Amino acid sequence: EAQLVESGGGLVQPGRSLRLSCVGSGFTFEDYAMHWVRQVPGKGLEWISGISWGSGTINYADSVKGRFTISRDNAKNSLYLQMNSLRAEDTAFYYCAKDIRLGDDAFDIWGRGTMVTVSS
Amino acid sequence: DIAMTQSPSSVSASVGDTVTITCRASQDISNWVAWYQQKPGKAPKLLIYAPSGLQSGVPSRFSGSGSGTDFTLTISSLQPEDFATYFCQQANSFPITFGQGTRLDIK
Repeated sequence: EAQLVESGGGLVQPGRSLRLSCVGSGFTFEDYAMHWVRQVPGKGLEWISGISWGSGTINYADSVKGRFTISRDNAKNSLYLQMNSLRAEDTAFYYCAKDIRLGDDAFDIWGRGTMVTVSS
Repeated sequence: DIAMTQSPSSVSASVGDTVTITCRASQDISNWVAWYQQKPGKAPKLLIYAPSGLQSGVPSRFSGSGSGTDFTLTISSLQPEDFATYFCQQANSFPITFGQGTRLDIK
């Protein structure tokens, strides 16, 4: 069964950094683009970043551009999100998600999410 | 950025009813839309992907249609497990954007 498991969330002070990780299993991780999507509890979904299978194409939402960095290590079936200069408005559940197929950014597998709280 | 305007924001219905949720894109996105269901405390679940594909394991009472700027998700013969929040998403171009969600409640 394909699954994704996030880790690395927690409570962090404004201005500090945090690194999220996501490990995939049950599918050929290196064949798929991967993404991070966040959600403030009780609110809507916000896509924040995506990376192609070979890391050749990377995209960010304007809300995180210049502060967050997405990366992947296909040998470790892992996706990462380095979050710097964190702000209160970055507080949310962070999900990693997998593309359903090459060239189609619908997300068929999601992790359970990891909560990031930015507060002093 | 492409805005996805979803309506209604909430709807009440009964078991056995048919419900339609709409999503309008701010520009032509061909048929690159996906639909998700989310229940409290859970990650979103993919229901429909472009052009009108039913994700594996999703009941056939869920269907999607539309192209260009106007899209619909139809849920026929509502079941108790269908009461949840639904989101549309455009996968035409970056940044990927979602509709604001439709909460489906039991009447």
